[in-house]
Amino acid sequence: GNSVTQMEGPVTLSEEAFLTINCTYTATGYPSLFWYVQYPGEGLQLLLKATKADDKGSNKGFEATYRKETTSFHLEKGSVQVSDSAVYFCALSGFNQFYFGTGTSLTVIP
Amino acid sequence: GAGVSQSPSNKVTEKGKDVELRCDPISGHTALYWYRQSLGQGLEFLIYFQGNSAPDKSGLPSDRFSAERTGGSVSTLTIQRTQQEDSAVYLCASSLGNAFTDTQYFGPGTRLTVL
Repeated sequence: GNSVTQMEGPVTLSEEAFLTINCTYTATGYPSLFWYVQYPGEGLQLLLKATKADDKGSNKGFEATYRKETTSFHLEKGSVQVSDSAVYFCALSGFNQFYFGTGTSLTVIP
Repeated sequence: GAGVSQSPSNKVTEKGKDVELRCDPISGHTALYWYRQSLGQGLEFLIYFQGNSAPDKSGLPSDRFSAERTGGSVSTLTIQRTQQEDSAVYLCASSLGNAFTDTQYFGPGTRLTVL
């Protein structure tokens, strides 16, 4: 069946550090892949998405590339800021279903 | 503009009672989704609507759960004979069109506590 596995948190980084949050998936067919983010005290919102293999989603300095050969959609940012502190969720759309990872909490310290 | 709204924001109920959770999607959004987020867990997909139709109800945890959407707008999630394991935050989201590629906009959630 379909599933999403993302790296366990929490992750703590210093400001301007490089960020990678790993996400791998299992899916039949050709799902779309998403990263959602939940900032403290706010609702979930889309960060970026990719709808087919080799697509790169990007937003707010974050990037993720849909890699079919490694079934991965890792989230990266070259230089994190304190304002990036949040919980990040990897997700995929399957046949009539959606699958979210358990979330990775990121704290960026000045 | 107005986002997705959910009511109530908090609900405390006794085991065995029925509860009804409401979701008002963004105006014009044709797809609507329900999720459940239990403490320490990821989001569990429950059901989605395209218009008033729910193509697949297999994500609902048990037959105590039901959902409906009327007029292509408001949706209600009903839990009958609530159990303590139903305690969670229930999230609703909506999207403009295609349920599988479009951005989902989430509401603030309803926190359900079953005593």
